[in-house]
Amino acid sequence: EAAVTQSPRNKVTVTGGNVTLSCRQTNSHNYMYWYRQDTGHGLRLIHYSYGAGNLQIGDVPDGYKATRTTQEDFFLLLELASPSQTSLYFCASSDAGGPSAETLYFGSGTRLTVL
Amino acid sequence: QQKVQQSPESLTVSEGAMASLNCTFSDRSSDNFRWYRQHSGKGLEVLVSIFSDGEKEEGSFTAHLNRASLHVFLHIREPQPSDSALYLCAVRARGSALGRLHFGAGTQLIVIP
Repeated sequence: EAAVTQSPRNKVTVTGGNVTLSCRQTNSHNYMYWYRQDTGHGLRLIHYSYGAGNLQIGDVPDGYKATRTTQEDFFLLLELASPSQTSLYFCASSDAGGPSAETLYFGSGTRLTVL
Repeated sequence: QQKVQQSPESLTVSEGAMASLNCTFSDRSSDNFRWYRQHSGKGLEVLVSIFSDGEKEEGSFTAHLNRASLHVFLHIREPQPSDSALYLCAVRARGSALGRLHFGAGTQLIVIP
């Protein structure tokens, strides 16, 4: 079973702070995604990637950068954190083909609080 | 851009009574529909995926898709208190990457003993 591991589990920072959220997946999935979840909005896609060095913009990218350093690792960067970025962040991965092509694996989430 | 809306926002049912959740979407060319469950403070658990009009059953969960009317429903048969959770509908546009999903805001289901 593929696994997606996020770290940290919880993070508190101050306005203007610099934050990096990490995501690692096993099984070398091609696609990785970052979502944020807020009450009343469900999950919204921030950025995604289909391989090392690739980055695609999602639906709510403002204020976020992302980097896919390897097939396994996908990072979300908040360089000047704001209170509006307080949220629950999920990472996910999927394969582009093969028997698991229709399976999306989610991490357990990172709760970020910006004071 | 795809709009996904869920109703009701909150639903309370008695244990064993059928629960029905509704999800509407705006892009009729969408080809991948999923229902997820999220217990408080936890991650997402996929319940059922459906790709063509009709019904798909997974255990006590049945998804019903009608693309012409832009609806996908989730029926929960004989829900238990442990099914109390947030239920999320997710829709993908045809040709998009699998994870390029648009989610509804969710229905909070409460099952009382």
